[in-house]
Amino acid sequence: EDQVTQSPEALRLQEGESSSLNCSYTVSGLRGLFWYRQDPGKGPEFLFTLYSAGEEKEKERLKATLTKKESFLHITAPKPEDSATYLCAVQAHEDSSYKLIFGSGTRLLVRP
Amino acid sequence: NAGVMQNPRHLVRRRGQEARLRCSPMKGHSHVYWYRQLPEEGLKFMVYLQKENIIDESGMPKERFSAEFPKEGPSILRIQQVVRGDSAAYFCASSRSGGAGQPQHFGDGTRLSIL
Repeated sequence: EDQVTQSPEALRLQEGESSSLNCSYTVSGLRGLFWYRQDPGKGPEFLFTLYSAGEEKEKERLKATLTKKESFLHITAPKPEDSATYLCAVQAHEDSSYKLIFGSGTRLLVRP
Repeated sequence: NAGVMQNPRHLVRRRGQEARLRCSPMKGHSHVYWYRQLPEEGLKFMVYLQKENIIDESGMPKERFSAEFPKEGPSILRIQQVVRGDSAAYFCASSRSGGAGQPQHFGDGTRLSIL
């Protein structure tokens, strides 16, 4: 069964304190791995798509990497406005509907 | 804002009533997905539609739930005879095509509360 596990569930950082969020996945064939950011009361906001092991993508203070079993979202020198829930999702090759399978998310709080 | 539009943002229903949730995809997008987020749980896929076609409804309960995406107008998720367990946030997402790795863009959801 396709599955996504995110850790930690919650993370508290001081402003400027870099860290990483983990997304472990089990899927028969990976079509794509997606990172989203979700603010309270809002829908998920698309950040990155990664397609194959070794791939990296960056956007401002965020950098996403992918291996055959997991993905990391690195946050460099975070600011309070980076506080949000970060969601990881996978799309499987054998799935003709292209649905996303989500993890439960990591709630990030960055203190000033 | 040309994003995915969902309405209403909040919906309160009594047990046994019907709930209708609407979703207008982003301009140029013809693929719509519905997901449900229960309290303290992750997003779960419900149904995938293209114009006038249901492609995959494997995540949707067999009873009381239905979805459509007509040729004209928004996609509708309909829940008949609602029960307390239907209380959740329902999110709609759209993509330009159903191709591999296409990002899905989400609306801000409808929060359904059942009294």
